[in-house]
Order: sequence, then C-alpha cells, then structure tokens
Amino acid sequence: AQKVTQAQTEISVVEKEDVTLDCVYETRDTTYYLFWYKQPPSGELVFLIRRNSFDEQNEISGRYSWNFQKSTSSFNFTITASQVVDSAVYFCALTPFETSGSRLTFGEGTQLTVNP
Amino acid sequence: DSGVTQTPKHLITATGQRVTLRCSPRSGDLSVYWYQQSLDQGLQFLIQYYNGEERAKGNILERFSAQQFPDLHSELNLSSLELGDSALYFCASSPQTGELFFGEGSRLTVL
Repeated sequence: AQKVTQAQTEISVVEKEDVTLDCVYETRDTTYYLFWYKQPPSGELVFLIRRNSFDEQNEISGRYSWNFQKSTSSFNFTITASQVVDSAVYFCALTPFETSGSRLTFGEGTQLTVNP
Repeated sequence: DSGVTQTPKHLITATGQRVTLRCSPRSGDLSVYWYQQSLDQGLQFLIQYYNGEERAKGNILERFSAQQFPDLHSELNLSSLELGDSALYFCASSPQTGELFFGEGSRLTVL
C-alpha cells in the first residue's frame, strides 16, 4: 500500500517570504514516481513536476525548487519569494513506476495563503 | 489550459438520480483517468481506460461506471446518487511519458 502525508494542512505567509511544503511518502515499491500538483481557487489541477525514484538530484524551476531525499522518503517543495498568485492548495502524489506515472495516490494537500 | 475538456462544469441533481460526466482527452493521449475529490476522502483514483479498454480500477463504487469510446472521449456514469457523492470529479489524460494532465473538473452537487 502507498501513502502520502502532507502534515501541513494550512500555511500562511507574507508576500516575498520563502515557504517550504513538506511531503513524506510510504511505498513498498523500489521504483516509483513522485509528483506535485497545484490547485488554485478556480479548482483545476495544474501539473508542476514529476520525479522518478532513480533521480535524487534537486530541481529548480524559476521560483520553485524540489528536494527529494530517498533516505527520509521526503519530497519537499519550496517556493522562493512567494507571490499572492501562489495561493493555492498544493498536492504531493505518488505512483508505482510500472504504471508509467499514472494512478496517483495523493496526499491531503496543503493550503498555502500568500498575503500581500 | 491542460487540453483536457470536461462537461458539465457544474451539475446539481437530487438523490436517486443518474448523471453522466463527459471528458475529452488531450489530442493524441490514449489513456483517460477519472478521479474524485471530496472533502472527506480527498483525491481518489476511480478508474483508468486505455484506448477503449479498462486498464485499472481504484475506489470506484458499483453504482458508478465508465467507458471510453472509439474517438477516445470518456464518460463517467453515476447512478442512484447519494448525498455523499457530491464532489469534484476530474478527468485526466496522459501521453506515453506518463504525466497526468487534468481537466477543470465537474462539480456535482446532490441535494
């Protein structure tokens, strides 16, 4: 069985602060994919990143960065210099490698509010 | 815009009724997935179709069914609706590389 835990239910920051969203996962699979999705108030789910378990290299995309640590089963997401438009619910998700990155198990989500 | 189209965006109906949600995947994507997002259960995988055939089942109730048509669009049928079926239903499609691209969802309210 797989499980994704996002312990932070809600986070509130002031614009320009850095914020880290935590994600811890459990799986018996030796190979798997990890994802982050963003759900803005409008409701759609926006794909942010997919990382396979082979690759522990951290990734940076603009103000977004991800820290994958297999030893602690964590895949944390940092937003640097947060902006009001970053306000959304962020979901971490996991799937076995053989499903080619689909049939996701999602965490409960973290509601991020960025105040001006 | 993910390229996945879902209709209707909003739907209000009564208990015991039946509804059909429709999804058009991104051009070229053969796989379609349905997910349910509810307050108490969070985001849950329901079912996957690949090129017209059922590929995997998740936590889908027996009152729910789905199909994928030759033109690759998919429909999720929800019958004998209960209050607890009120949720946001997402369709997603994926290319061979596996990333899931979600539609905007269909918000179902059962009164």
